[in-house]
Amino acid sequence: LAKTTQPISMDSYEGQEVNITCSHNNIATNDYITWYQQFPSQGPRFIIQGYKTKVTNEVASLFIPADRKSSTLSLPRVSLSDTAVYYCLVGDGSSNTGKLIFGQGTTLQVKP
Amino acid sequence: DVKVTQSSRYLVKRTGEKVFLECVQDMDHENMFWYRQDPGLGLRLIYFSYDVKMKEKGDIPEGYSVSREKKERFSLILESASTNQTSMYLCASSSLAGGPGDTQYFGPGTRLTVL
Repeated sequence: LAKTTQPISMDSYEGQEVNITCSHNNIATNDYITWYQQFPSQGPRFIIQGYKTKVTNEVASLFIPADRKSSTLSLPRVSLSDTAVYYCLVGDGSSNTGKLIFGQGTTLQVKP
Repeated sequence: DVKVTQSSRYLVKRTGEKVFLECVQDMDHENMFWYRQDPGLGLRLIYFSYDVKMKEKGDIPEGYSVSREKKERFSLILESASTNQTSMYLCASSSLAGGPGDTQYFGPGTRLTVL
């Protein structure tokens, strides 16, 4: 499974846009890129997933360049409640290798 | 909405006790997973199951066993609890949809303390 690298921590202020970049140099052809969010004392929660170019949902946007060796999670106008750990994962979700590898994640601290 | 529930949010056990952690999902998912999460180490996969009565070892299976007698239920068993098994335990499930990019849905976690 492809290894991912992302910043350990980031700080932001309410109302700002936050971009978290994840490197995945060894991504395979069939791999998707998935981001999870985790609040303290809760299980991770799926945010967004993409394969190439740009994906947007009601929570975030995901930008993936043509070479797919990195991706950027974009959170528009963050609020204090967006303070959490964000995990970037790559994998193909197949039945035999359906396990995901969670790295350290990026701890986002949103300040007033 | 997918719902994954875990039998306890907090559990305190003594060294040597046998501990059962239960997980139930209500979306008819084929895959179920048990992770543990420790500060500085992220989530680590203990065991997963892709079908009833089927199980596969994850990255850290030592000291644990699992049971999947019914599709919706996946149990993690600590045969003889030790203090180094104090951790947050997270259960997850996912659908064998046949397509790439399958996602996992997590339960709220069980914080286990072994004294």
